[in-house]
Amino acid sequence: GDSVTQMEGPVTLSEEAFLTINCTYTATGYPSLFWYVQYPGEGLQLLLKATKADDKGSNKGFEATYRKETTSFHLEKGSVQVSDSAVYFCALSGIQGAQKLVFGQGTRLTINP
Amino acid sequence: KAGVTQTPRYLIKTRGQQVTLSCSPISGHRSVSWYQQTPGQGLQFLFEYFSETQRNKGNFPGRFSGRQFSNSRSEMNVSTLELGDSALYLCASSWTVNTEAFFGQGTRLTVV
Repeated sequence: GDSVTQMEGPVTLSEEAFLTINCTYTATGYPSLFWYVQYPGEGLQLLLKATKADDKGSNKGFEATYRKETTSFHLEKGSVQVSDSAVYFCALSGIQGAQKLVFGQGTRLTINP
Repeated sequence: KAGVTQTPRYLIKTRGQQVTLSCSPISGHRSVSWYQQTPGQGLQFLFEYFSETQRNKGNFPGRFSGRQFSNSRSEMNVSTLELGDSALYLCASSWTVNTEAFFGQGTRLTVV
């Protein structure tokens, strides 16, 4: 079945460092890909998405490119802030006509000032 | 525009009891999905409803059930609670299928 694999966490960086969180997927067909963020005590917020190969999703300085050849959707940000500390989830929606999301295990990110 | 509202936010139940969780989607959204989040298993899909019809179901025992009403509000029920059912239960709504899903803050269920 469909699955998503994220890099193991936790990840700790200093403010203004470059961030990469790796995400690879396995799916039949052409899934849509997402990054969600979860702050403490909160639900999930959609950070960005891409619906077809070579699409780049971007939001709040974060970017991710849908790479079909490597089945990847890595999250990047050029300069992180303390406020970016959260848990990040990569997800796919692979079933046409359905809303089911398949999530990776999540990566906890901590940014130190 | 109000977001997805889940009630209650916190719940403590005893093993063997049953529980009902409620989700009010964003106005106009017709698709509602439910997820269970635990430290060990992460985020797992429970079920999905669209226009009162269950369209998809995850790999959970029959103790987990749900429904959607004509106003798109949804409830999920867990019967004969087990300690392992302790989790954060998240509801997500979307306008229709294959569109952006918006999540509620979740209901934290603790089974003792």
